[in-house]
Amino acid sequence: NAGVTQTPKFRVLKTGQSMTLLCAQDMNHEYMYWYRQDPGMGLRLIHYSVGEGTTAKGEVPDGYNVSRLKKQNFLLGLESAAPSQTSVYFCASRAGQEYQPQHFGDGTRLSIL
Amino acid sequence: GQNIDQPTEMTATEGAIVQINCTYQTSGFNGLFWYQQHAGEAPTFLSYNVLDGLEEKGRFSSFLSRSKGYSYLLLKELQMKDSASYLCAGINSNYQLIWGAGTKLIIKP
Repeated sequence: NAGVTQTPKFRVLKTGQSMTLLCAQDMNHEYMYWYRQDPGMGLRLIHYSVGEGTTAKGEVPDGYNVSRLKKQNFLLGLESAAPSQTSVYFCASRAGQEYQPQHFGDGTRLSIL
Repeated sequence: GQNIDQPTEMTATEGAIVQINCTYQTSGFNGLFWYQQHAGEAPTFLSYNVLDGLEEKGRFSSFLSRSKGYSYLLLKELQMKDSASYLCAGINSNYQLIWGAGTKLIIKP
C-alpha cells in the first residue's frame, strides 16, 4: 500500500525557473495539503484542497499555485522560483471525517540557487 | 493568534520516562495532535486528544487540558529508536492543523 507518494524527492533549481511537485494518494482521501518545513519552524500550510476540483490558500500561499484535477492527485507549482522557497515540501492527505489524522508523503527537498 | 509552543530540545536516558509539553492559546483550537518525525523522514501520526484527559497507546500517552491550553506527550521505557522530533499540532475551527516547531528528543544509552 503506497499511501502518499511525492515526486521528485530532490531537486535543485536556479532562480526564476519553474517546476511542479507531484503528490498522489491511493487512500481515496478527500482532503489534501501542501506544507513547507523550514529549520526551527513548524510545518506551514501553503495550499489545501477539500475535494476534487477545489483548492484554497493556506498560511503561506504566495509564489505557489496548486491544482486538484483528480481526487488522487494534488500538484504544487512554482512559477518563478526564488531562494526563499528553498525548503522541504510535504504533501499530506486525510479522510473527510472530523479529527482524522493526516498522512504524509516522504517529502521533496528543493534547493533554489 | 494561534501559537503553539514546545521546547526545542530534550535529552533523556534509555529506559527512562520523558514528558514533552505543548502549550497553546485556548481560543480557536478544537483538539490537539502529536506526530513523530525521524530526521529526514515524514511526520507520522502518534495520537490525538479532543476531550480533556489521558489517552494511552502502549508506551506513549498524551494528555490534554483544554481550559489550560496544555498538552503533553509521555514516552515510557525509552528506546534508542525514540530519538526523533515530536510535533504538537492544534486543530483550528476549519479542522486544519497549526503546528509547533517540534521538540527534538535525544536518547542517551
